Amino acid sequence: DARVTQTPRHKVTEMGQEVTMRCQPILGHNTVFWYRQTMMQGLELLAYFRNRAPLDDSGMPKDRFSAEMPDATLATLKIQPSEPRDSAVYFCASGSQGLHRRVFFGEGSRLTVL
Amino acid sequence: GENVEQHPSTLSVQEGDSAVIKCTYSDSASNYFPWYKQELGKRPQLIIDIRSNVGEKKDQRIAVTLNKTAKHFSLHITETQPEDSAVYFCAASSPGNQFYFGTGTSLTVIP
Repeated sequence: DARVTQTPRHKVTEMGQEVTMRCQPILGHNTVFWYRQTMMQGLELLAYFRNRAPLDDSGMPKDRFSAEMPDATLATLKIQPSEPRDSAVYFCASGSQGLHRRVFFGEGSRLTVL
Repeated sequence: GENVEQHPSTLSVQEGDSAVIKCTYSDSASNYFPWYKQELGKRPQLIIDIRSNVGEKKDQRIAVTLNKTAKHFSLHITETQPEDSAVYFCAASSPGNQFYFGTGTSLTVIP
């Protein structure tokens, strides 16, 4: 049963610290999304990659957030320095392209910044 | 870009009744419309999807309809059960583009 894998599942850190979240997309998927969700609110798109290239990161605060795909099996989302307002659940999702494309979400990384 | 609106934001129904959630989209190029269910503390899970060459799709108690002319699509849940209580998200996607999500509907099924 192929799944999107995210680590860590939970992270508590202090303001100012660097936070790195990792995502392993489903094998064969060439699109990767990072979403942020706060208090069961909507899914806010932070970044979108296709074939490892960033296509849209307009929703991401550029001064402190960065997203990369070092290779096809790893996507990272980094916050430096972290702030309390960054506390949220960060979801990674991966999908395929084409007519039969579907997107599947990872379990999420719950971040708390004190 | 695409703009997806979802209504209602909250919905309460009696167990056994039907629930309907509606979404509209703006980009006529969108051709794929999935629906996700998110239970408290869990990830959104794909429950049903429809593509633009189909007007309706059904899977047991869940059905989705699409009206491309009016640019709206709906999720229908019949014979609701308490385990249907969750937040439901619609989304729209055009070829080669990202997925745009609605703002979610919190469904409560009252036993």
